[in-house]
Amino acid sequence: SQTIHQWPATLVQPVGSPLSLECTVEGTSNPNLYWYRQAAGRGLQLLFYSVGIGQISSEVPQNLSASRPQDRQFILSSKKLLLSDSGFYLCAWQGDSGNTIYFGEGSWLTVV
Amino acid sequence: EDKVVQSPLSLVVHEGDTVTLNCSYEVTNFRSLLWYKQEKKAPTFLFMLTSSGIEKKSGRLSSILDKKELFSILNITATQTGDSAVYLCAVPSGGSNYKLTFGKGTLLTVNP
Repeated sequence: SQTIHQWPATLVQPVGSPLSLECTVEGTSNPNLYWYRQAAGRGLQLLFYSVGIGQISSEVPQNLSASRPQDRQFILSSKKLLLSDSGFYLCAWQGDSGNTIYFGEGSWLTVV
Repeated sequence: EDKVVQSPLSLVVHEGDTVTLNCSYEVTNFRSLLWYKQEKKAPTFLFMLTSSGIEKKSGRLSSILDKKELFSILNITATQTGDSAVYLCAVPSGGSNYKLTFGKGTLLTVNP
């Protein structure tokens, strides 16, 4: 069966520091991979998606970047965090079989 | 621009009550509608609906889609405190299967 893991689960970082959130998927190959952010108010905002190694699409202009160095690995990064980057970040994957997207456990980021 | 609107935004009920959550949508090239339950962490998948009038059921939860009127409802009968969560509705948007547009969710609180 397929599983998705992301880490770290919680992170407190000062303004201006770098960020790296990592996500890996197991039990599937060539999944579509996603990074979402959920700020206060509960809406999920799509940040990036990837349909293959090295292929990244950005949905909103922002202080963040994403990379997919391997088929089942997706990384969310920032060189210098802003206060507004605080939130709950969710990695997700989608297989070939349909539209359903499955989420990782999430990472709470607090920028102070 | 594709849009998903959920109502009510929040709801407080007593154990044993029946609740109905609403989701309306405006998307181009509709494919499906998904329901998720989010407790403290990541959203978990509940249902995917593609056809009008066909009820999907899982235990006390059920959902139905109306493609003519562009909405879906999620019913929960005999609610329990464990049903307390944010319920999210989402549709693939932007003309592709790759991106989900989420509603802001309904916060359901079930009191004993």
